[in-house]
Amino acid sequence: QQQVKQSPQSLIVQKGGISIINCAYENTAFDYFPWYQQFPGKGPALLIAIRPDVSEKKEGRFTISFNKSAKQFSLHIMDSQPGDSATYFCAASNDGGATNKLIFGTGTLLAVQP
Amino acid sequence: DAGVIQSPRHEVTEMGQEVTLRCKPISGHDYLFWYRQTMMRGLELLIYFNNNVPIDDSGMPEDRFSAKMPNASFSTLKIQPSEPRDSAVYFCASSFSGAPNTEAFFGQGTRLTVV
Repeated sequence: QQQVKQSPQSLIVQKGGISIINCAYENTAFDYFPWYQQFPGKGPALLIAIRPDVSEKKEGRFTISFNKSAKQFSLHIMDSQPGDSATYFCAASNDGGATNKLIFGTGTLLAVQP
Repeated sequence: DAGVIQSPRHEVTEMGQEVTLRCKPISGHDYLFWYRQTMMRGLELLIYFNNNVPIDDSGMPEDRFSAKMPNASFSTLKIQPSEPRDSAVYFCASSFSGAPNTEAFFGQGTRLTVV
């Protein structure tokens, strides 16, 4: 499968700190890059997404930074809260293709300590 | 809509037994995906359907795995015979090709344990 590489595997952040999760992709045909958030016992749910025509997208405390030339994108969680503790997956897809297929990274387990 | 519905939520079975996982996608969605989640490999795409037709099953680990979608509101993933290494959480997801972005809606998953 086409790969999306995600790091770190796990992350511990103090309340109020900044959480940063990184992803890299290989296929230059990818044109849609979402992040999914998963709480224990639940399925992943869309958190925020970006397209490569912009370098940054912000929604509240969550920001995606995108570097097209480096084929990398990252999720920043500002003022991290204990309620943000979850597993985060980056993903990529080729929306312009004939499929809605999402390729996911391996996930990052975030723990925000109070 | 109630979202993507999966059953059962938990399944414990003995090695060698047949296991069938079920999924009801969101009404109106034309794509259905089966994913497997493990600590080591994250979310792996096993197979996906478009308008009930299997499009890509290259992620199915071996012939013991099979999936069907007899109609737009139901899909099954079958493992026969099951093995301990099949233990994982299996997710079904659906999406709509007419939406502006590729958002997949996931069910709550089936936690499979093969002993």
